[in-house]
Amino acid sequence: QVQLQESGPGLVKPSETLSLSCTVSGGSISNYYWSWIRQPPGKGLEWIGYIYSSGSTNYNPSLKSRVTISVDRSKNQFSLKLSSMTAADTAVYYCARSAVSAAPHNWIDPWGQGTLVTVSS
Amino acid sequence: DIQMTQSPSTLSASVGDRVTITCRASQSISNWLAWYQQKPGKAPKVLISDASSLESGVPSRFSGSGSGTEFTLTISSLQVDDFATYYCQQYNSYSLFTTFGGGTKVEIK
Repeated sequence: QVQLQESGPGLVKPSETLSLSCTVSGGSISNYYWSWIRQPPGKGLEWIGYIYSSGSTNYNPSLKSRVTISVDRSKNQFSLKLSSMTAADTAVYYCARSAVSAAPHNWIDPWGQGTLVTVSS
Repeated sequence: DIQMTQSPSTLSASVGDRVTITCRASQSISNWLAWYQQKPGKAPKVLISDASSLESGVPSRFSGSGSGTEFTLTISSLQVDDFATYYCQQYNSYSLFTTFGGGTKVEIK
């Protein structure tokens, strides 16, 4: 079955840009919507945005000015960049897939295991 | 955006109890709702989609109901493995983006 794995730095300095990648294995990145979701320690889930395999994107309005999601179909990967990081961006970042092919508005399945990103100098 | 409000935020229960968690949407989302279970240090796992469809492999003691703005997740007989935090998610096709409820932590009484 499809598996997702996040990679990237666990520590980012304030004002810097976070860069994370998600590698998709066990299936193609084509024809699905791929999301980034985050969860601050002890808090709830926040959807950051998604990208379709063709490259079209949609972002959470609260983060839109700082977010870029891109896809590399040749590597079966998609990536997140979040600029101007502050302590409030400290969270576990998950990559995930919409459950139904070619449908952006769906439940989310599967999820990556998540990676903790801490913002600190 | 559509706000999702879960209640209660914490629930204390015993093994064998019937447990009900409520999720309310700030506007109608038809049946575009999913429920997830999350254990510490793990990613959420989908239990129910489209408000009432049990995902493959999920025990039948879990059930979901509701439509419009009010939804419930019921665990008919709570098991040790069910102590976790539960989240609802709306994915209404007319909404610009998906949103999650604040979570309900089910604790051992």
